Amino acid sequence: QSALTQPPSVSGSPGQSVTISCIGTSSDIGTYNRVSWYQQPPGTAPKLIIYQVTNRPSGVPDRFSGSKSGNTASLTISGLQAEDEAAYYCTSYTSNSAFDVVFGGGTKLTVL
Amino acid sequence: QVQLQESGPGLVKPSQTLSLTCTVSGDSINSDTYYWSWIRQPAGKGLEWIGRIYSSGRTKYNPSLKSRVAISLDKAKNQFSLTLSSVTAADTAIYFCATYVAHDDYFDYWGQGTLVTV
Repeated sequence: QSALTQPPSVSGSPGQSVTISCIGTSSDIGTYNRVSWYQQPPGTAPKLIIYQVTNRPSGVPDRFSGSKSGNTASLTISGLQAEDEAAYYCTSYTSNSAFDVVFGGGTKLTVL
Repeated sequence: QVQLQESGPGLVKPSQTLSLTCTVSGDSINSDTYYWSWIRQPAGKGLEWIGRIYSSGRTKYNPSLKSRVAISLDKAKNQFSLTLSSVTAADTAIYFCATYVAHDDYFDYWGQGTLVTV
């Protein structure tokens, strides 16, 4: 069982927006602005798309945006494109001294 | 730009030791920017953090694997390595090496991954 909770799947049509949630606790998301998101198309390595809640690395389209409220972080993808179909993972820094980082279980995005 | 490349046997017998190496280019293992990390992913499942090592040699491991795992540095070759002992079928996975940005807390570079079957 993952430390952060994500929905197993979401879907949307091209051009629409979808939001993926990532629920943590006060030991991670609720206290620290150290949430990141990764995109993993089938058969490839994960790719960083959001770091420190809202920041996009160079080259990531501004269709991808991140936010946080309380213990929940969210990734919103607007103007869905077929190439966005992938698994998406959230991570967060945690104050649990046994770990550096905790992962979400992943969300499969299907573009209809 | 950092590039990472995993290497090692793709098939390991049960009860034996899995050994993988990650070769780093574009930065030095001596850099204090990163924690050099290993993550794995069983087929069709999510990502699992295995552990990491800092340039000082300081390590941290996933408690569920701690008794079987070791990560080390080879500064001469600019590589870091993973060993996992007493493997079972449950250790079959794609193994990724990655850079974890120290103090900013995200993985910015990933290797392509290597499949290890037990």
